[in-house]
Amino acid sequence: QITLKESGPTLVKPTQTLTLTCTFSGFSLSGGVVGVGWIRQPPGKALEWLALIYWDDDKRYSPSLKSRLSITKDTSKNQVVLTMTNMDPMDTATYYCARGFGDLLSVSWFDPWGQGTLVTVSS
Amino acid sequence: SYVLTQPPSVSVAPGQTARITCGGNNIGSKSVHWYQQKPGQAPVLVVYHDSDRPSGISERFSGSNSGNTATLTISRVEAGDEADYYCQVWDNSNDHNYVFGTGTKVTVL
Repeated sequence: QITLKESGPTLVKPTQTLTLTCTFSGFSLSGGVVGVGWIRQPPGKALEWLALIYWDDDKRYSPSLKSRLSITKDTSKNQVVLTMTNMDPMDTATYYCARGFGDLLSVSWFDPWGQGTLVTVSS
Repeated sequence: SYVLTQPPSVSVAPGQTARITCGGNNIGSKSVHWYQQKPGQAPVLVVYHDSDRPSGISERFSGSNSGNTATLTISRVEAGDEADYYCQVWDNSNDHNYVFGTGTKVTVL
C-alpha cells in the first residue's frame, strides 16, 4: 500500500519561509519512472502544481513560482522537502504531496495523494 | 504557458450521463489524466492516459481525447459521483510543466 503524508507548520507569517515535509511509504524514489510532486489548492479554488522531484534527482518547478521554491529528497528517510520563501497571504492553501508516476521515460500523473495540510499565512 | 479550460459546472440527473470537457491547444497530442475530489478530501485519480482506469475505479468512468478537447464521461451517474473534477497534462513542450485544468463541479440533481 502506498501512502504519503504532509507535515509542517499550519501558520506562518508574511515574508517567512515555509518548509513542508512529505513522508511516504510503499515505493522507492531511488529508481524507476517515479517522482514526488507538490500541489496546492487555495480555499475554494483549483489545484495548482508547484514542484516535482524525479527518481534521478532532476527537479521541475512551476514557472510562476520558480524563484521561491526548492525541492529536495532524502531517499534513505523516504522524505521529500519543499521550501517556499517570502510567504504571502495569497499563499494560504492546502498543500498536497503526491507520487508522480508514468511510463516509458516520463512522470505524467499523480497517484496517490497525501491527505493535505492547510497552511495559513497571516500576521 | 499551457492552459486547460473546463466548464465551471455540470448538472446531471441520477442514472444519466455526465460529460466534462477539458479544452487545450492540440490537447489530443498529449496524455490527459482526470481526478475526482470530494469535499474535504484529497484528489483521486479516476482516468489516466486519456482513457485508462486505475484499479478500483468504476467502469462507469471513461475518457477520450482528440483535437483540442478531452472528455471525461460518467455513465449511470450516482449521487456519490457529486464532486469536483480536474483534468491534468504533462506539458513536455515547455520546461516539463504539470498543468491542471480549472475544475468542474458536478452536481447530481
